[in-house]
Amino acid sequence: AAGVIQSPRHLIKEKRETATLKCYPIPRHDTVYWYQQGPGQDPQFLISFYEKMQSDKGSIPDRFSAQQFSDYHSELNMSSLELGDSALYFCASSQRQGITYEQYFGPGTRLTVT
Amino acid sequence: AQTVTQSQPEMSVQEAETVTLSCTYDTSESDYYLFWYKQPPSRQMILVIRQEAYKQQNATENRFSVNFQKAAKSFSLKISDSQLGDAAMYFCAYRSASMDSNYQLIWGAGTKLIIKP
Repeated sequence: AAGVIQSPRHLIKEKRETATLKCYPIPRHDTVYWYQQGPGQDPQFLISFYEKMQSDKGSIPDRFSAQQFSDYHSELNMSSLELGDSALYFCASSQRQGITYEQYFGPGTRLTVT
Repeated sequence: AQTVTQSQPEMSVQEAETVTLSCTYDTSESDYYLFWYKQPPSRQMILVIRQEAYKQQNATENRFSVNFQKAAKSFSLKISDSQLGDAAMYFCAYRSASMDSNYQLIWGAGTKLIIKP
């Protein structure tokens, strides 16, 4: 079965640089979520999109922005990177018309800011 | 606001034995979903099992089962016949079923499960 695809899997950037993370949800899933997970921490919700519209915003810094495109893939844009942005970034997708709306996670993008 | 608490930072179990991971939550809602996710060293987040709050029957998935106590707001995970591949961080998560909610997952802090060979 198709899974959530994230690219790149690993990314190394320097402080003050910009990074773009991509997420391709499971086919027919209409909702995408972005999470940030620091070392030894639980995931923190950043932002979500339903049918290409932003549906909710969590603890996403103003330096970050995201969007969902017509083909339902999503991109998380991160500017003015800081050392503290080093983390694993997960994308998850779900189908709102589904019975339980469970979220399926991609493998994550490991971002290292030096 | 909803909260999820996992009071066991780390648990260990002998291979082939049974272990139970605890999770409690706080909510004023009557309809919601609960999940257990597994995160092995690869850090892939894998859905293990889910429970709908309106169902009284406890969910089971092969060696994994839950003990859902709605009144006590408790949602424990039992792993039977533990295998080395079960070693991972286990997260308990809550999701509102309200149409007005944002559907984001509320996470516990996680329990690290160690399997002793």
